[in-house]
Amino acid sequence: LAKTTQPISMDSYEGQEVNITCSHNNIATNDYITWYQQFPSQGPRFIIQGYKTKVTNEVASLFIPADRKSSTLSLPRVSLSDTAVYYCLCGGATNKLIFGTGTLLAVQP
Amino acid sequence: EPEVTQTPSHQVTQMGQEVILRCVPISNHLYFYWYRQILGQKVEFLVSFYNNEISEKSEIFDDQFSVERPDGSNFTLKIRSTKLEDSAMYFCARRDRGLTEAFFGQGTRLTVV
Repeated sequence: LAKTTQPISMDSYEGQEVNITCSHNNIATNDYITWYQQFPSQGPRFIIQGYKTKVTNEVASLFIPADRKSSTLSLPRVSLSDTAVYYCLCGGATNKLIFGTGTLLAVQP
Repeated sequence: EPEVTQTPSHQVTQMGQEVILRCVPISNHLYFYWYRQILGQKVEFLVSFYNNEISEKSEIFDDQFSVERPDGSNFTLKIRSTKLEDSAMYFCARRDRGLTEAFFGQGTRLTVV
């Protein structure tokens, strides 16, 4: 399973766009890139998933360059409630999910 | 999204006692997982369960741990003789057939005293 590297923490203000980048140099051909969000004392929650190029859903966008060795989660206009830990994971349909330390996003008023 | 329900939400037990944590996923899911998260630390993989068998387990999942799907729907994690260091949040997760994203329950907070 590909090892992922993310910043430990990021700060932002309400209304700003936040981009969290993850590097996964050893991503396998059949790996998807998936991002999860976790609030304190809650289970991780799926945000978005992609294989290549760009994926957008109602909460976020995911940008994946052609070499797939990194990915960027983009959160438009964050609010206080977006304060959480964000995890980037790589894996296939049957792989276990391996969580790193994630990125603690702190959104301030 | 379809829910994964875990019970109990919080359990306090004495060291050396057995505990059973329960997860109720929707029955047509193939892949089930248990994870734990010690306070302030990352989410750690314990075991995956596929087609009613353990498919993979981590070093943490030693002989004190076991998993079962006793009635075809509930999915349980048993810790035979709890230790203080077993205190953590335990999360059950499931994966739908053919999809890669996993859905997690809200967790059981286990406190061993």
